[in-house]
Amino acid sequence: QVQLVESGGGVVQPGRSLRLSCAASGFTFSNYPMHWVRQAPGKGLEWVAVISNDGSNKYYADSVKGRFTISRDNSKNTLYLQMNSLRAEDTAVYYCASGPVWGKGTTVTVSS
Amino acid sequence: SYELTQPPSVSVSPGQTARITCSGDALPKKYAYWYQQKSGQAPVLVIYEDSKRPSGIPERFSGSSSGTMATLTISGAQVEDEADFYCYSTDSSGNHWVFGGGTKLTVL
Repeated sequence: QVQLVESGGGVVQPGRSLRLSCAASGFTFSNYPMHWVRQAPGKGLEWVAVISNDGSNKYYADSVKGRFTISRDNSKNTLYLQMNSLRAEDTAVYYCASGPVWGKGTTVTVSS
Repeated sequence: SYELTQPPSVSVSPGQTARITCSGDALPKKYAYWYQQKSGQAPVLVIYEDSKRPSGIPERFSGSSSGTMATLTISGAQVEDEADFYCYSTDSSGNHWVFGGGTKLTVL
């Protein structure tokens, strides 16, 4: 079935890095743009980044621009989010998504 | 930066019609998408491209857009529809996406 599964979350100290992955299955991954969306505890949804289907175009929310990098490997059906210089305000559940298809999310906690 | 504005809360009795609005300057030219999120769960797409309903979404969910406002309508709201609803769209460039602040729907 159509599925997205995120991984790579955890607890990390401020200023450190973390890489999230999102494994896609059940659909032609290379045909679709992919998004990362996050939700801080008790807060609303926040769009983080988008990448075109072939990876040639990438756009970011102002809150993460210059610190986060979105990428994809269509041969592995996998989406990535490299997060550098993490801050406490990056603490959230991170979802990968494409239209109606969302993963269940992976939790990132930035704390000393 | 671009913003989409939603009311924080909407409350209706079971069987009544609930309407949730979303306003944004780019909506006359950009599609609106609507997501429902129940507590502790991932969001679910209920309306795409202003008014289209994905398979499996009940017919009581409908969407429309006019000018700078998109509207999600739930006709005959049911208790199980209680959730947070978010509109989603892009700025005029089409490159930067944004969610509205979310609307908590109460059905009781």
